[in-house]
Amino acid sequence: EVQLVESGGGLVQPGRSLRLSCTASGFTFGDYAMSWVRQAPGKGLEWVGFIRSKAYGGTTEYAASVKGRFTISRDDSKSIAYLQMNSLKTEDTAVYYCTRAQLRYYYYMDVWGKGTTVTVSS
Amino acid sequence: EIVLTQSPGTLSLSPGERATLSCRASQSVSSSYLAWYQQKPGQAPRLLIYGASSRATGIPDRFSGSGSGTDFTLTISRLEPEDFAVYYCQQYGSSQGLFTFGPGTKVDIK
Repeated sequence: EVQLVESGGGLVQPGRSLRLSCTASGFTFGDYAMSWVRQAPGKGLEWVGFIRSKAYGGTTEYAASVKGRFTISRDDSKSIAYLQMNSLKTEDTAVYYCTRAQLRYYYYMDVWGKGTTVTVSS
Repeated sequence: EIVLTQSPGTLSLSPGERATLSCRASQSVSSSYLAWYQQKPGQAPRLLIYGASSRATGIPDRFSGSGSGTDFTLTISRLEPEDFAVYYCQQYGSSQGLFTFGPGTKVDIK
């Protein structure tokens, strides 16, 4: 079964850091781009960023709202994607979803984890 | 940056009725970059449609997508009780290398 499981969420103070993990199973992790999407309480979906597969350079792209503060990385040997979040703000409070991203002819996110909650508050 | 607008914000319908959801882009979007997702309360989103009109694996054929350019539509031919949810459209901006989502349309029971 294709599955993504996020972990690492929690309560953190403004200005601090947090690292989320996304553990994949059921597919060849290294063949795919991985993306993060967040959802603030009661709000819609906001794309955070993605990392391409190594075959496509392993490069990253980010939303303007997190660029320079968040970093996505991957460990293909462990089938894990990471979201390093620095200089956290209260507006970063959200459920963070890990997704598998298709970035070839079609562009979409076809597998989603259940999400992990990040609360930024003093 | 391309902005997506979804209408209506809320659609109140009865089971068995047809639902027509609109997604409008501020600039022309390649059909290859347009997708639709369904989200139920307390759950992660689920991919319904990609490439504007291709159904994802396991999606019932009562769901269909259409459109091109700046206007896209998700149609649910006959609403089932499990279809009452929020629906989001998504596009990818190749020049900026980023995804954006529309604000969502909530389909609720009349």
